[in-house]
Amino acid sequence: DVKVTQSSRYLVKRTGEKVFLECVQDMDHENMFWYRQDPGLGLRLIYFSYDVKMKEKGDIPEGYSVSREKKERFSLILESASTNQTSMYLCASSLSAAGGGHGAYFGPGTRLTVL
Amino acid sequence: AQSVTQPDIHITVSEGASLELRCNYSYGATPYLFWYVQSPGQGLQLLLKYFSGDTLVQGIKGFEAEFKRSQSSFNLRKPSVHWSDAAEYFCAVGPPTGGGNKLTFGTGTQLKVEL
Repeated sequence: DVKVTQSSRYLVKRTGEKVFLECVQDMDHENMFWYRQDPGLGLRLIYFSYDVKMKEKGDIPEGYSVSREKKERFSLILESASTNQTSMYLCASSLSAAGGGHGAYFGPGTRLTVL
Repeated sequence: AQSVTQPDIHITVSEGASLELRCNYSYGATPYLFWYVQSPGQGLQLLLKYFSGDTLVQGIKGFEAEFKRSQSSFNLRKPSVHWSDAAEYFCAVGPPTGGGNKLTFGTGTQLKVEL
């Protein structure tokens, strides 16, 4: 089974802090994603990566950056956390096969609270 | 731009009753279609997916979904709901070619099961 793990289930940070959210997958997937989940808004894509050192902006990249130095690891960085970034953050990975047909496998999520 | 609509925010059914969750999509071509389930405090789990062929697809946990091209719909069904099915359900679409498997999600339907 594909396993996607996230470094923390719960995280509390202060406004202005730099925050790192780590995600690791063990199935050699090419693609990795960071989503943000808020009530009533569903999942919104922040960034995704289709290869090591490659990244593309999703729908809501403002205030975030990402890093992918190794194939299995994809990090989300909040350079200066703000209260409106309080949310559930979900990491996912998928195969690169053309057609998007394999869906994505999700980690358990990190619930981030910014005070 | 692609979009996914789940018109029902909340649905309540009695245990043993049948269930249908609605999903409509807007896309330039027939996309790949997915249903995910999220139990409280958990990540998303893939229930089923549609790529092509038979328009009625079977998934895990006794769920099925029917693709109707003329209605741009992909509704999720279950003949007899169990209390453990209470969760949030997300419909998603993915690009038919390339696109790095980037998925677009609906806003979710929260299912409550009455005993």
